[in-house]
Amino acid sequence: TQLLEQSPQFLSIQEGENLTVYCNSSSVFSSLQWYRQEPGEGPVLLVTVVTGGEVKKLKRLTFQFGDARKDSSLHITAAQPGDTGLYLCAGVWGGNKLVFGAGTILRVKS
Amino acid sequence: DTAVSQTPKYLVTQMGNDKSIKCEQNLGHDTMYWYKQDSKKFLKIMFSYNNKELIINETVPNRFSPKSPDKAHLNLHINSLELGDSAVYFCASSQGQGFYEKLFFGSGTQLSVL
Repeated sequence: TQLLEQSPQFLSIQEGENLTVYCNSSSVFSSLQWYRQEPGEGPVLLVTVVTGGEVKKLKRLTFQFGDARKDSSLHITAAQPGDTGLYLCAGVWGGNKLVFGAGTILRVKS
Repeated sequence: DTAVSQTPKYLVTQMGNDKSIKCEQNLGHDTMYWYKQDSKKFLKIMFSYNNKELIINETVPNRFSPKSPDKAHLNLHINSLELGDSAVYFCASSQGQGFYEKLFFGSGTQLSVL
């Protein structure tokens, strides 16, 4: 059983569509991070959410941290082919370990 | 300049061999990590060093031995390689080890054990 469950596992959409991916846990996290990983590269941090209920926007990406700090979502508006990649959520566990969810593979077709 | 660089990018070897992966960061960070990403893209922490001191050692076979000669370098040596060791290994670094630390990852080493 993973600490962080991500859904969906795979998402294939057309350019211009909107989408939401989810990161859920039964545990409370002090913060959650979202990373994007492109093929052949390492993950790159997109955002850190810290406060329950917090919403952060990064251009067409909107990140939300659940009120109870057990879940987070990433919404992409008008997806573009450049958004294609693996989206990973991560949270600090046991005081010092950053643990990752299994990720959502997003493919945006032009 | 690449912030976190690891070599080699690809490593193909036979079962039973010993191999090393090197990692260097030029960010001046105090903490470095090794993560393993399996075929299902699941990233799992293996080790973490802070100022050359081992602070995280997950349940990893003792065939895996990290070495940090200084805080800018963290190498990973693997003895007696097994088929199940095939994966992508990522080195990463962060300024500290707090709750809000941003991790900077290398581009990975794809290890294939035949």
